[in-house]
Amino acid sequence: AQTVTQSQPEMSVQEAETVTLSCTYDTSESDYYLFWYKQPPSRQMILVIRQEAYKQQNATENRFSVNFQKAAKSFSLKISDSQLGDAAMYFCAYIATQGGSEKLVFGKGTKLTVNP
Amino acid sequence: DGGITQSPKYLFRKEGQNVTLSCEQNLNHDAMYWYRQDPGQGLRLIYYSQIVNDFQKGDIAEGYSVSREKKESFPLTVTSAQKNPTAFYLCASSVRGVATNEKLFFGSGTQLSVL
Repeated sequence: AQTVTQSQPEMSVQEAETVTLSCTYDTSESDYYLFWYKQPPSRQMILVIRQEAYKQQNATENRFSVNFQKAAKSFSLKISDSQLGDAAMYFCAYIATQGGSEKLVFGKGTKLTVNP
Repeated sequence: DGGITQSPKYLFRKEGQNVTLSCEQNLNHDAMYWYRQDPGQGLRLIYYSQIVNDFQKGDIAEGYSVSREKKESFPLTVTSAQKNPTAFYLCASSVRGVATNEKLFFGSGTQLSVL
């Protein structure tokens, strides 16, 4: 079974600094997608960034970028120039695109605090 | 505006009672999902449906039931067999399944508590 592990239950960063959130996953599939979702105190889930496993280039979305290491099964999220609005729970998620059923598997999350 | 509507926002269940959580979407999405979120936990899949009149169990389906009679609706019933129902429930939808689409669209959630 696929699993997603986020080893940092909590992280903190100073405003305007950079922080990296870790995520590792376990799968035997060769083709899949990886996601980072943000959940602010409102508890609304918001997609931050998405990475296709077949793409070697790391995805970027403005201040958010990933470091995707397929061989190591690692998918970390880097937030640059951190803002107070970035404070939230961040979830890493995985889905296979063939073979197994299409269900998104989530990690347990990392709570990010941004200090002014 | 298109989106997913979950209701109610807060729901209380008495012992032995079945309760139903509503999820409606007007995005014309084929696939719909129910997730459960407990404090300190990620989201765990309860049930999902790729097309009307068809659905599959997720990882924690015991004590729950669903129906998919209409494309836009995917209600979740928490039965009395679910002994620990207190949690935050999220509904989501996507086009033709997540694997072929950009992302899941999430509702705003329902917090279920036991009286």
